[in-house]
Amino acid sequence: NAGVTQTPKFRVLKTGQSMTLLCAQDMNHEYMYWYRQDPGMGLRLIHYSVGEGTTAKGEVPDGYNVSRLKKQNFLLGLESAAPSQTSVYFCASSYSTAGSQPQHFGDGTRLSIL
Amino acid sequence: GQNIDQPTEMTATEGAIVQINCTYQTSGFNGLFWYQQHAGEAPTFLSYNVLDGLEEKGRFSSFLSRSKGYSYLLLKELQMKDSASYLCAVKDSNYQLIWGAGTKLIIKP
Repeated sequence: NAGVTQTPKFRVLKTGQSMTLLCAQDMNHEYMYWYRQDPGMGLRLIHYSVGEGTTAKGEVPDGYNVSRLKKQNFLLGLESAAPSQTSVYFCASSYSTAGSQPQHFGDGTRLSIL
Repeated sequence: GQNIDQPTEMTATEGAIVQINCTYQTSGFNGLFWYQQHAGEAPTFLSYNVLDGLEEKGRFSSFLSRSKGYSYLLLKELQMKDSASYLCAVKDSNYQLIWGAGTKLIIKP
């Protein structure tokens, strides 16, 4: 079982460049999430989606955009990368937000902005 | 504001028992999760508590006191492979997870 797959795993960008991080899940989950993880801080929610065609802002959405055109895919875009966006990005998915349903995570994308 | 506090780092000996504490102040409470994250890897689900008390799952147990805003993860018979970060996360009134910064657990032989 693939679970949640993120591409790429590593990327180095120059300030001002754009890129898209890809997330795919094969568990038929409705909910998908993008987080960033920085040293000394908890995971912070960037954007999330409660179903195909829907997106919503999380705690730290500025500088990012997302799209969920297909249920299994959730894309995170950086239009004009900034050094402050250097981070490890995790995609997660869940069947629902009810009860004990956990979020399942991909292996992360390590992004450096020079 | 919302806040989750965990110790930054703990050290324990192989075969021993360790307790990792988590205190929280959040807007609403709809459950608390513990995740394990090995260095360079994805977080993986360990346990869930929504009612007060102890939930046991093999070598791992998790405790919750909602009135005190407190939880702990208890790891018994520590193994070297338990060296990892342990993340506490609370599901708030909007059903979003609020994450602690994690506790790095170092196991020594």
